[in-house]
Amino acid sequence: DAGITQSPRHKVTETGTPVTLRCHQTENHRYMYWYRQDPGHGLRLIHYSYGVKDTDKGEVSDGYSVSRSKTEDFLLTLESATSSQTSVYFCAISDLAGRPYNEQFFGPGTRLTVL
Amino acid sequence: AQTVTQSQPEMSVQEAETVTLSCTYDTSESDYYLFWYKQPPSRQMILVIRQEAYKQQNATENRFSVNFQKAAKSFSLKISDSQLGDAAMYFCAYYRNAGNMLTFGGGTRLMVKP
Repeated sequence: DAGITQSPRHKVTETGTPVTLRCHQTENHRYMYWYRQDPGHGLRLIHYSYGVKDTDKGEVSDGYSVSRSKTEDFLLTLESATSSQTSVYFCAISDLAGRPYNEQFFGPGTRLTVL
Repeated sequence: AQTVTQSQPEMSVQEAETVTLSCTYDTSESDYYLFWYKQPPSRQMILVIRQEAYKQQNATENRFSVNFQKAAKSFSLKISDSQLGDAAMYFCAYYRNAGNMLTFGGGTRLMVKP
C-alpha cells in the first residue's frame, strides 16, 4: 500500500470554527489531491498540488484553502466550517515517473462532521 | 467538462452468480483512461480494473472484466462468481492525461446475498 496517512481520522466541530486536515505521504510523489465524498456524488476534487507551493482549484473549491510547504504534506483548511462541509475527505497522491498515466493512490479518509 | 454517470444506485447478486454494473461517460477527448474502484465498508478506495481508451481489447482482472464501448461511451463492469467480499460501493472514474484529474460517477452499492 502507498504510504499515505490522514489526520485526524474523525472530527466533530462546530459551525464557524476553523478546521485543518492533514495528508502525509512517504512516497515522494509529486502530485497530491483533496477530494470530498458525499452520497450520490462519488468523489469530487477540491484542490490539488503539482509541487511544493504549487496548487490549483478543483471542482468544489469554494470554502476551502490548501497549502503545501513540503513534498510530504498537503493541508486542507476550512476557514469557517459550515454544515454543508460535513463529508468524508480523501487525500490522494500520484506521480508519472515510470508510469503510463498518473495513477492515484488514496488515503484512508477523514470523516468530518460540522454541527 | 467530463461527466460520469452510474444509473444504478444499488444492485444485488446471489453468491456465485454474475452481475454487471453500468457506467456511461461524456467526453470529447480521444486519449483517456477509465477505471472501476471498489470501496468496502473500511472506506479504502481500491482500484479494481482500468481500461485505456486506445485499446480495443476489454480489460480483465481475474473475476472482473469490462465491456468498453468507446463509440457509445459506455464502460460496464462484470463480476463473475460473485463472493461475499465483493459487497461494496463501486465507482466508475474517468481520467485524461491532459487534465491530470479523475472524475467519478455517483457510485453503485453492490450487495451479495449468501
